[in-house]
Amino acid sequence: DTEVTQTPKHLVMGMTNKKSLKCEQHMGHRAMYWYKQKAKKPPELMFVYSYEKLSINESVPSRFSPECPNSSLLNLHLHALQPEDSALYLCASSSSSTGYLSTDTQYFGPGTRLTVL
Amino acid sequence: GESVGLHLPTLSVQEGDNSIINCAYSNSASDYFIWYKQESGKGPQFIIDIRSNMDKRQGQRVTVLLNKTVKHLSLQIAATQPGDSAVYFCAENIRGTGANSKLTFGKGITLSVRP
Repeated sequence: DTEVTQTPKHLVMGMTNKKSLKCEQHMGHRAMYWYKQKAKKPPELMFVYSYEKLSINESVPSRFSPECPNSSLLNLHLHALQPEDSALYLCASSSSSTGYLSTDTQYFGPGTRLTVL
Repeated sequence: GESVGLHLPTLSVQEGDNSIINCAYSNSASDYFIWYKQESGKGPQFIIDIRSNMDKRQGQRVTVLLNKTVKHLSLQIAATQPGDSAVYFCAENIRGTGANSKLTFGKGITLSVRP
């Protein structure tokens, strides 16, 4: 099973709203990722969690707040977003094996299509 | 089949032909490479990967070739089918532990299969 699930599939929110995106995997992976993808562009890394700790933050604005409650769940809390934040938000996970030859195939969820009005 | 670099956004092939999608990478420290397929409205789907200690790897109908001398990666799809129509991304991973592993994606190319 290489499934990563994300909810909701679609989200429309105003600039003053607070909402959360959710991601779940049951593959025993210990690294989880948030990406942002604009139309016709490759995914852009936002955050990396490793063993439930934030290990990489790619200088993402504070209106995006990640949270990793446990090894299977990853949330992205949204507040005071801008219209330019509209995009497909992708979650991924990988085994995060350590060592010289890390096997870090990332498996992606279907994404949440976010529209900010 | 046809081959095209990632600076061209679309590759159009006839159903049944072979497709070749090329990718140039710039970081000689990259040691792991992945091809993803992304269909409209979906997340990227893992196709095949290859490590830098290999130059070829085969999967079901797909082959990935790695030329480290010229930093070039290609994906070959045999007997292309309509279901292969999608955007294809190459991604490179720089050597390191999994905890801080980062993938860098190429620009992506759209494969369009003509019936």
